[in-house]
Amino acid sequence: AQKITQTQPGMFVQEKEAVTLDCTYDTSDPSYGLFWYKQPSSGEMIFLIYQGSYDQQNATEGRYSLNFQKARKSANLVISASQLGDSAMYFCAMREGRYGGATNKLIFGTGTLLAVQP
Amino acid sequence: GAVVSQHPSRVICKSGTSVKIECRSLDFQATTMFWYRQFPKQSLMLMATSNEGSKATYEQGVEKDKFLINHASLTLSTLTVTSAHPEDSSFYICSAAEALRSGNTIYFGEGSWLTVV
Repeated sequence: AQKITQTQPGMFVQEKEAVTLDCTYDTSDPSYGLFWYKQPSSGEMIFLIYQGSYDQQNATEGRYSLNFQKARKSANLVISASQLGDSAMYFCAMREGRYGGATNKLIFGTGTLLAVQP
Repeated sequence: GAVVSQHPSRVICKSGTSVKIECRSLDFQATTMFWYRQFPKQSLMLMATSNEGSKATYEQGVEKDKFLINHASLTLSTLTVTSAHPEDSSFYICSAAEALRSGNTIYFGEGSWLTVV
């Protein structure tokens, strides 16, 4: 069963507007971590934001915020004030179990290609 | 901050030859590193977990004799694609987390584009 689901293969957004990228997950482990990465055409994986399963507040990092709804098992990424440089592939990923050692392996969703239009 | 470096960034090799890709943690020690493969327009798929001083743990369906992983030190893991074939052409990328730090940041290398001709 797929554990990370990104239902939007592609998204368009106007420059300076906000956009939400969807991510749902499935796990029976009470301890897990959720990540969002940006992958430009060069291929590098750029870490954007992290949310731990026990974190009480939604994570925020500059223009990025994570809308964490634990009961619904969703971890949507919100990008505010989109910029042309935000155009890239975005991946949601999950780490199961408490951090450390082999649990630092990630399971990735299929990604969402975001195109920011001027 | 922590940095993971991967080399080479691009490599072309002839079918039947072997190619080695290195993954280094530059300012921290990593007892485990991870190797992923990404085919064009697809997601990252975990290939194996590289364990310092012991055998790598391979994911189901990954041939351990074809994808040799060595993690000889706390800062270096290598992936060797043996007897490469065109279908092995892909983007290979490694990741690592600092051994004593919480897992809220897992760092990736820059990735390696492998083309087998």
